[in-house]
Amino acid sequence: GESVGLHLPTLSVQEGDNSIINCAYSNSASDYFIWYKQESGKGPQFIIDIRSNMDKRQGQRVTVLLNKTVKHLSLQIAATQPGDSAVYFCAENIGRSNYKLTFGKGTLLTVNP
Amino acid sequence: EAQVTQNPRYLITVTGKKLTVTCSQNMNHEYMSWYRQDPGLGLRQIYYSMNVEVTDKGDVPEGYKVSRKEKRNFPLILESPSPNQTSLYFCASSPRMTGSSYEQYFGPGTRLTVT
Repeated sequence: GESVGLHLPTLSVQEGDNSIINCAYSNSASDYFIWYKQESGKGPQFIIDIRSNMDKRQGQRVTVLLNKTVKHLSLQIAATQPGDSAVYFCAENIGRSNYKLTFGKGTLLTVNP
Repeated sequence: EAQVTQNPRYLITVTGKKLTVTCSQNMNHEYMSWYRQDPGLGLRQIYYSMNVEVTDKGDVPEGYKVSRKEKRNFPLILESPSPNQTSLYFCASSPRMTGSSYEQYFGPGTRLTVT
């Protein structure tokens, strides 16, 4: 079946740099996307979401970009800090009557001091 | 404190011995869900519940049962655990999904080992 995927399984950046984590999806019916952060030994934690009628949404130090033409989603983290080290998941929801989230496999972000 | 709690956090058991992992949320959320997380496979949904007495299968329901008799609790039952159910399990809850947000709040996880 169709699923959410990721371009890179690992990403290593220097503290203070900007990070970009990518995600590809294949279901054109997906209308809602969400990014989660999972620190070691903890459950996933919400970061930011975006609906398919938007192409950009900003939060605190994070920006999500959605390119529906190529079915691509990205999470940008500004001024990356050691506390940002974690696994990042994107997830999609397909249709408003379907409450299910389908998760990607995750990208491990490591921030070097 | 608003939270999702799971018990136990760690469990080692043997094949065939029935077990229950409890999940409770204190946010009055209508939607609850169980996931399992395996290396290289990410989070996969097992079962979900949209309200009391309403449950449905996710992507990997085989070998699991759930019940939703009360709004706050959503236990996961393994009637006859097998080694391939060794995994990290997460419970999640969400307020009523109106179409504006599908944010789910996750519990801390239960690491289950079946020998």
